[in-house]
Amino acid sequence: AQSVAQPEDQVNVAEGNPLTVKCTYSVSGNPYLFWYVQYPNRGLQFLLKYITGDNLVKGSYGFEAEFNKSQTSFHLKKPSALVSDSALYFCAVRDNNAGNMLTFGGGTRLMVKP
Amino acid sequence: DGGITQSPKYLFRKEGQNVTLSCEQNLNHDAMYWYRQDPGQGLRLIYYSQIVNDFQKGDIAEGYSVSREKKESFPLTVTSAQKNPTAFYLCASKKSVTIYEQYFGPGTRLTVT
Repeated sequence: AQSVAQPEDQVNVAEGNPLTVKCTYSVSGNPYLFWYVQYPNRGLQFLLKYITGDNLVKGSYGFEAEFNKSQTSFHLKKPSALVSDSALYFCAVRDNNAGNMLTFGGGTRLMVKP
Repeated sequence: DGGITQSPKYLFRKEGQNVTLSCEQNLNHDAMYWYRQDPGQGLRLIYYSQIVNDFQKGDIAEGYSVSREKKESFPLTVTSAQKNPTAFYLCASKKSVTIYEQYFGPGTRLTVT
């Protein structure tokens, strides 16, 4: 069965510093990976996805993610954090045994301090 | 939140009452989903529908029911059989089975007392 792990419940970073939100996965077959962001009392917004191709994927709001097959990771990164990036971030993987459903990680809260 | 609307944003009910949460999309998406989110937790799939007039149970379907009579609508009923209904409910849709990313509505926060 597919699974996603986000090992950090919370990540704290100072504004202007680079940020990384970690995600590791376990899938059978080729991994299709996604990042979403959720602001308080809102739905999830799609940030980026990895299906195939370059290991570095660029997405919305200056975020990017690096796919590493040998480490089964798909960490979300941004070179310079903004206070407005503070939110809940979810990693997800396609479950190719269940009609292309998405399995979500537990979420990581990112706090960017001024 | 795109073309997916959920209403109402906040909903309050007394224990023992059934309540229906609305989800409408104007994206012409085939598939629709209902998730439940509890504080500090990830998303858990309640029900999904890949085509009109068909739906499947997700991981936590007990105490919930759905219908998919129209492509654009996927209402969720939280019945009195659901033991802990207070939660944030998220509806999502995606274009087709071969498109993987889902798009989410703004959510409904249900409080049952």
